Amino acid sequence: QKEVEQNSGPLSVPEGAIASLNCTYSDRGSQSFFWYRQYSGKSPELIMSIYSNGDKEDGRFTAQLNKASQYVSLLIRDSQPSDSATYLCAGGGGNQGGKLIFGQGTELSVKP
Amino acid sequence: DTGVSQDPRHKITKRGQNVTFRCDPISEHNRLYWYRQTLGQGPEFLTYFQNEAQLEKSRLLSDRFSAERPKGSFSTLEIQRTEQGDSAMYLCASSNTGELFFGEGSRLTVL
Repeated sequence: QKEVEQNSGPLSVPEGAIASLNCTYSDRGSQSFFWYRQYSGKSPELIMSIYSNGDKEDGRFTAQLNKASQYVSLLIRDSQPSDSATYLCAGGGGNQGGKLIFGQGTELSVKP
Repeated sequence: DTGVSQDPRHKITKRGQNVTFRCDPISEHNRLYWYRQTLGQGPEFLTYFQNEAQLEKSRLLSDRFSAERPKGSFSTLEIQRTEQGDSAMYLCASSNTGELFFGEGSRLTVL
């Protein structure tokens, strides 16, 4: 079992729709979770961090964390073609110590 | 620009040669990380430093790989006797608070 798992996609949504990206993790001690966006040929860019159960909103982005279910999600409202990228989920703390463990990423395509 | 800087951005080498990558972190960050990423995969942890101390190194990392951060500022990642399987993007990131900020990466192609 991978430590952080994501569906690789691709996930395709129409412009203006809500995109829902999901991630599960195996280390119950993980304390911090991050979502990164990576455009093709570029490096990962941090878009959200979440540390507590519940929702955290930042503009069109909402991160959700459920530690009991070991589940993290990212919702993108009013999706735009410029949101088309690979979204990486990462977890840290617990057995991971000071490093982050990344999932394989979910490719999102937003169609005009 | 005060972001993470990596050099070179691209490196093409022949199998068996040694290569070295340099990373300059964000100046106030005390942690520096190296990751490797291949096409279609997420970044894979290699090693990280807190100041000049190397705190963790991946068990999967061959002994051909070595990293240093001699003065707690910039870091180098050296790969000796490169193999075609070493072809990847080598990403450096720095942090103070747990959030990692990545450089643009160094792409290695081993022929």
